[in-house]
Amino acid sequence: GQNIDQPTEMTATEGAIVQINCTYQTSGFNGLFWYQQHAGEAPTFLSYNVLDGLEEKGRFSSFLSRSKGYSYLLLKELQMKDSASYLCAVRASGGSYIPTFGRGTSLIVHP
Amino acid sequence: GAGVSQSPSNKVTEKGKDVELRCDPISGHTALYWYRQRLGQGLEFLIYFQGNSAPDKSGLPSDRFSAERTGESVSTLTIQRTQQEDSAVYLCASSPGQGRNTIYFGEGSWLTVV
Repeated sequence: GQNIDQPTEMTATEGAIVQINCTYQTSGFNGLFWYQQHAGEAPTFLSYNVLDGLEEKGRFSSFLSRSKGYSYLLLKELQMKDSASYLCAVRASGGSYIPTFGRGTSLIVHP
Repeated sequence: GAGVSQSPSNKVTEKGKDVELRCDPISGHTALYWYRQRLGQGLEFLIYFQGNSAPDKSGLPSDRFSAERTGESVSTLTIQRTQQEDSAVYLCASSPGQGRNTIYFGEGSWLTVV
């Protein structure tokens, strides 16, 4: 089976930087996703990591360490609209292409 | 279409009734997923279709739940004899195929069982 852990809730100040961590335990590994989900809306894709290292995309970056079973999503220059739930999802190897999602981290950005 | 389309967007039904939820994946996407998300909870995998292969039904919570897909197009998720604990948003997603492909979600069907 798979186990994915993320903090339940985080708060941060507009303009600041926040790091959302995700740790996982899987039988094999075939990629890690980060999604953003605003209340009442569908999840939207942010990033996909399959190799170790940092992937940067504008204000958002995602890091992966496969040996540690660890990823983080880094959000810079926070804006109020970044208040949302951030979902970490892991795809195991071995023929299954079904991502398993964590419970999500609710990020609250305040002025 | 441009994105994954789901209908109905909202459904209120009486306990014991059957409901059918529809998903239109992105054109050309061979993989299709159904997830359930209860209020304040994470996404719970239900079923996965890939091309003409047998679907992975390992996430269906009971035999009241079933899903079908016509070729590589529309899918329907059917819940029979609905219960209050079935109240959730049902999210459909599609991707271009197996392997390292991004999954795109629809807006979801919000089901309330009263």
